[in-house]
Amino acid sequence: KNEVEQSPQNLTAQEGEFITINCSYSVGISALHWLQQHPGGGIVSLFMLSSGKKKHGRLIATINIQEKHSSLHITASHPRDSAVYICAEEETSGSRLTFGEGTQLTVNP
Amino acid sequence: EAGVAQSPRYKIIEKRQSVAFWCNPISGHATLYWYQQILGQGPKLLIQFQNNGVVDDSQLPKDRFSAERLKGVDSTLKIQPAKLEDSAVYLCASREGVGYGYTFGSGTRLTVV
Repeated sequence: KNEVEQSPQNLTAQEGEFITINCSYSVGISALHWLQQHPGGGIVSLFMLSSGKKKHGRLIATINIQEKHSSLHITASHPRDSAVYICAEEETSGSRLTFGEGTQLTVNP
Repeated sequence: EAGVAQSPRYKIIEKRQSVAFWCNPISGHATLYWYQQILGQGPKLLIQFQNNGVVDDSQLPKDRFSAERLKGVDSTLKIQPAKLEDSAVYLCASREGVGYGYTFGSGTRLTVV
């Protein structure tokens, strides 16, 4: 059983909509990572956070350590946001990342 | 700043053949990772290097997979012999250290037929 669970698995939205992707993890972590993967395989690191909230452009990531839950929000979504969004936990015992299965986001014009 | 370089980009081999992948991390990044991503799944760690030493290879199928990072810079990952289930994207990533973000390469897509 994967220790990192994401929801939803697939998400289709209309351009301009507010998007939320959720991530739950089961162990103590030193950090929670959000990454973006486009078709073709390349992975881009979006956020690394261990508490609170971070914002970069239209992307916002939050984490609740007590509830072991994190969310990624996209405001004013755009078709170019279409990609797989993956959360990954970084264990306190080392720097290994354990990845979720990913959320496939499709934003239609 | 140059990114993490990987080659080849694609590789198709027959089962039981051998294959090698190469990764050049970002200059100065001490930690290097190899991940295997099977279609539809999240990446899975194969091996982690700190400089030229192995930190974690607990999920590396050592009967057929091997990896090295001579001189603590470039790294190669080898599969010998390949099986059909090895078909996946092999991702290399590096980071400066704990507390820093990861940088991933574009990956090598391996198809074993």
